Amino acid sequence: DAKTTQPPSMDCAEGRAANLPCNHSTISGNEYVYWYRQIHSQGPQYIIHGLKNNETNEMASLIITEDRKSSTLILPHATLRDTAVYYCIVRSRSNDYKLSFGAGTTVTVRA
Amino acid sequence: DTGVSQDPRHKITKRGQNVTFRCDPISEHNRLYWYRQTLGQGPEFLTYFQNEAQLEKSRLLSDRFSAERPKGSFSTLEIQRTEQGDSAMYLCASSRTGGWEETQYFGPGTRLLVL
Repeated sequence: DAKTTQPPSMDCAEGRAANLPCNHSTISGNEYVYWYRQIHSQGPQYIIHGLKNNETNEMASLIITEDRKSSTLILPHATLRDTAVYYCIVRSRSNDYKLSFGAGTTVTVRA
Repeated sequence: DTGVSQDPRHKITKRGQNVTFRCDPISEHNRLYWYRQTLGQGPEFLTYFQNEAQLEKSRLLSDRFSAERPKGSFSTLEIQRTEQGDSAMYLCASSRTGGWEETQYFGPGTRLLVL
């Protein structure tokens, strides 16, 4: 199974872009990268996913490197409500659809 | 609100009691997952259903745990003879089969405290 590595925590300023890195150097060619976040005491919230190309939706942008060994989640204008734990997950063929969450990155947005 | 609901949201019970949680998935979703999350950790997979069939169970799911999805719609997770180590957030997620782009949507969770 492809593992992911994320920094344990990061701070960012309200109104600025937040760039969250994730390393997945053992990712296989047809494995997707998924991002979820979990605001305190709530269930995880789906943010975005991608395979090879960069993706953008109303919440965030996902930039995947050409070799697919790392990715960056970008929150374009962070707000205080974006304070959460962010999980980068690789959907593994051998896991048969279940999601394997790591420790994630605790992002604190400061005013 | 993702459309996945869970009931109850909080449960306090005494050690040795049985508890049952319910999950109602998004209506057109045929897959339903249960996860458990302890304090400071990410969610861990417990089991999943495709329609009414339970297709996989984690080794975390001891014989005190049982899950059902009798009509392929809502699901229940029962814990018998609860132990203090069962205290956790129990999360339900649902998805519609669609290959590797399948996206799971989570409910708000049921927080269990065993005294």
